[in-house]
Amino acid sequence: GAVVSQHPSWVICKSGTSVKIECRSLDFQATTMFWYRQFPKQSLMLMATSNEGSKATYEQGVEKDKFLINHASLTLSTLTVTSAHPEDSSFYICSARRGLAVAKNIQYFGAGTRLSVL
Amino acid sequence: DAKTTQPTSMDCAEGRAANLPCNHSTISGNEYVYWYRQIHSQGPQYIIHGLKNNETNEMASLIITEDRKSSTLILPHATLRDTAVYYCIAFIQGAQKLVFGQGTRLTINP
Repeated sequence: GAVVSQHPSWVICKSGTSVKIECRSLDFQATTMFWYRQFPKQSLMLMATSNEGSKATYEQGVEKDKFLINHASLTLSTLTVTSAHPEDSSFYICSARRGLAVAKNIQYFGAGTRLSVL
Repeated sequence: DAKTTQPTSMDCAEGRAANLPCNHSTISGNEYVYWYRQIHSQGPQYIIHGLKNNETNEMASLIITEDRKSSTLILPHATLRDTAVYYCIAFIQGAQKLVFGQGTRLTINP
């Protein structure tokens, strides 16, 4: 299967600081990338969808000014949590999709980033 | 996207076949059934998907009923490493969103 790399895997930061998480598709070009958030003992919640070179589409209730998404190339998307607060502590997971052809329309996921805001 | 219903949890003995059911009675003709799993503290892993024919790959088999209202994921020889939450998702090819439900927590017992 295709490989999606996410970095860092774990980050601790002070309240009020910003944190950037990188997501890379290592062996394929991702036309679309997704960002999810997962709280303990809950399922994944989609935060936003981004296509290379265009603005991200955010799900209802997700603050676009707080969670900045940049999809500058077909292999890289970044999520920046601005002015992080303890309630932003969560497991953030990125996903990349190769294309729309039937056999290739599979979302591959990174290993996740655990964010702890003190 | 069609809503799917899965049991909250299941147990299976190591070495036996694990059969995970999924109901998707409102699925439409162009919606595929996808299965992913999430091992604790990791990102989800793609397993298999299908439209109406049964599918098999190196990880699992997917059996879809003729009316497409339900499906079963089969792990033929479960190992302890198969302990995970398994998600059944029905969505349209090319749709933007892959939305996860609560899934089935499968525990493989030695």
